[in-house]
Amino acid sequence: NAGVMQNPRHLVRRRGQEARLRCSPMKGHSHVYWYRQLPEEGLKFMVYLQKENIIDESGMPKERFSAEFPKEGPSILRIQQVVRGDSAAYFCASSPNRMGAKNIQYFGAGTRLSVL
Amino acid sequence: DQQVKQNSPSLSVQEGRISILNCDYTNSMFDYFLWYKKYPAEGPTFLISISSIKDKNEDGRFTVFLNKSAKHLSLHIVPSQPGDSAVYFCAASAGAAGNKLTFGGGTRVLVKP
Repeated sequence: NAGVMQNPRHLVRRRGQEARLRCSPMKGHSHVYWYRQLPEEGLKFMVYLQKENIIDESGMPKERFSAEFPKEGPSILRIQQVVRGDSAAYFCASSPNRMGAKNIQYFGAGTRLSVL
Repeated sequence: DQQVKQNSPSLSVQEGRISILNCDYTNSMFDYFLWYKKYPAEGPTFLISISSIKDKNEDGRFTVFLNKSAKHLSLHIVPSQPGDSAVYFCAASAGAAGNKLTFGGGTRVLVKP
């Protein structure tokens, strides 16, 4: 059973370019979460999605950032017009859809974004 | 506003001894707590969790203790092994099953042979 798959593992962008980060959840998981980790800090929640729905985007910056989880295909985190401060590790997690039970989130290996 | 805090950034322990990692939280709505382990250039790996209705959960070498009145939890690893050297994150969630995790800043553990 493959784990959470993220690609690319490393992404280099120049200021002003767009970054697209992809995440395929574990098989059977319908909840996807994106987190960002700055150097020497903990992970910070960005957004929680289910198929075709954004459930909680309270951690997403208001501008330049967007996320989707389409009916088919991976979840995408898009950062437009990247700036140096966007350089970080971006982690995706997934969890199963077991209502009434606490769901453990399982993480991918992350995408390390470097903005030059 | 740091709702989950790990006040010890690092911990060094001898192989075979006990590692004790601490975590404090401020949000009384948190009702589920998890510990993750992270190696460099990898994603966090789930270790153990505890619901707020319990005060202890054990899984092999790992035991998590929860003190709700003090809003404090700890992770005990015994015996510590060199492969346990990693950064450990405490995380908490509130309410519904699918809610976001709030992480502490992490504690770097070094197990010396």
